[in-house]
Amino acid sequence: KAGVTQTPRYLIKTRGQQVTLSCSPISGHRSVSWYQQTPGQGLQFLFEYFSETQRNKGNFPGRFSGRQFSNSRSEMNVSTLELGDSALYLCASSLLGGQGTEAFFGQGTRLTVV
Amino acid sequence: AQTVTQSQPEMSVQEAETVTLSCTYDTSESDYYLFWYKQPPSRQMILVIRQEAYKQQNATENRFSVNFQKAAKSFSLKISDSQLGDAAMYFCAYRSANRDDKIIFGKGTRLHILP
Repeated sequence: KAGVTQTPRYLIKTRGQQVTLSCSPISGHRSVSWYQQTPGQGLQFLFEYFSETQRNKGNFPGRFSGRQFSNSRSEMNVSTLELGDSALYLCASSLLGGQGTEAFFGQGTRLTVV
Repeated sequence: AQTVTQSQPEMSVQEAETVTLSCTYDTSESDYYLFWYKQPPSRQMILVIRQEAYKQQNATENRFSVNFQKAAKSFSLKISDSQLGDAAMYFCAYRSANRDDKIIFGKGTRLHILP
């Protein structure tokens, strides 16, 4: 069974640009969550999608958005990039989400904003 | 709001020895799940062990075990017979038992294994 796949693995963007990150969950999993990991703030929840609907959202500005497709694949978009957006972005998938079901993580996308 | 605190940013242990990583959390909920995740240099978060709050028995997975003290809101991880492959960042995490899928992570503890 293939794991969670995130693409690309590395990305370098310039301030002001926008970026789209992709996450393919484990087959059959319907819940996809996104997290931002930085040395200063640690792991912070961005949002969670379940059956194409955003079910929960963290405390991030509106520049951060996402969506989920009918095949459960998810994309995360960051517009008007700032230097502080440089981070490792992790995607996690779980069968149904919530209720303690195990979350499986991808290897992340390392975004560097210059 | 729930919080997770790991008070040890870094720890070292001799190979084959036992080490305990500390974690405390704060919540007003009675039903929740606690996890320890491992993040090696490859960056992939790997679930090490999981504990349901309603279970009194401490979870065990091979060399990994937890000491879950619900009243004290404490959830420590014990690694026995430490191996070089155990070197990683370890995160303690909390997840509510309701539909909220958000996982709340501690800041992590970097574990070094000394040969």
